[in-house]
Amino acid sequence: DIQMTQSPSTLSASVGDRVTITCRASQSLTNWLAWYQQKPGKAPKLLIYKASSLESGVPSRFSGSVSGTEFTLSISSLQPDDFATYYCHQYNSYPVTFGQGTKLEIK
Amino acid sequence: EVQLVESGGGLVQPGGSLRLSCEVSGFTFSDHYMDWVRQAPGKGLEWVARSRNKANSYTTEYAASVKGRFTISRDDSKNSLYLQMSSLKTEDTAVYYCARLRMADSGYYFDYWGQGTLVTVSS
Repeated sequence: DIQMTQSPSTLSASVGDRVTITCRASQSLTNWLAWYQQKPGKAPKLLIYKASSLESGVPSRFSGSVSGTEFTLSISSLQPDDFATYYCHQYNSYPVTFGQGTKLEIK
Repeated sequence: EVQLVESGGGLVQPGGSLRLSCEVSGFTFSDHYMDWVRQAPGKGLEWVARSRNKANSYTTEYAASVKGRFTISRDDSKNSLYLQMSSLKTEDTAVYYCARLRMADSGYYFDYWGQGTLVTVSS
């Protein structure tokens, strides 16, 4: 199975900050990676697919990048609505797997 | 508007069975792969099972943790996905989501999710 190591597990930040969340894959994913945002009691919401493609309707302050097996989700200027939990998800091979999640909290 | 609505969750004793349903609307169900993903209380997301579409002979895949105990199925005439769960364990306690896969040049990933249904396995 491909292991996804996501960091940090918790991130405290303020409105307006730029933040970065990282996922490291245990093997090559050929960029088959997505990022999701989840708020308490709600289903996950797709933000990014194929490592860096922005889902339609998602604000442009969200971006994804990749370097080898390290994938990054960046939020350029945090808004109050962005405080949530974020998950990476590899869909390169079975079983598809998720990172452990990053809880983005208000500082 | 794409909608996925799960039902069938509840409290069940260890060793028991339960059948979850997911009724969809707003898209051509028969064209899409569909999955079940679960989330234990306070924990992360765990993929459970996949149902491919008719064009791919409705073949299925399962996570090792549920293989042999859970069965995913679908009824395209009813726009519905199912998860038959048997020999349930306390560690199967979770919110179960059905999710649609977008199938594109960019791979197969989840683009729409239901609101989830809670399964509690406890004596």
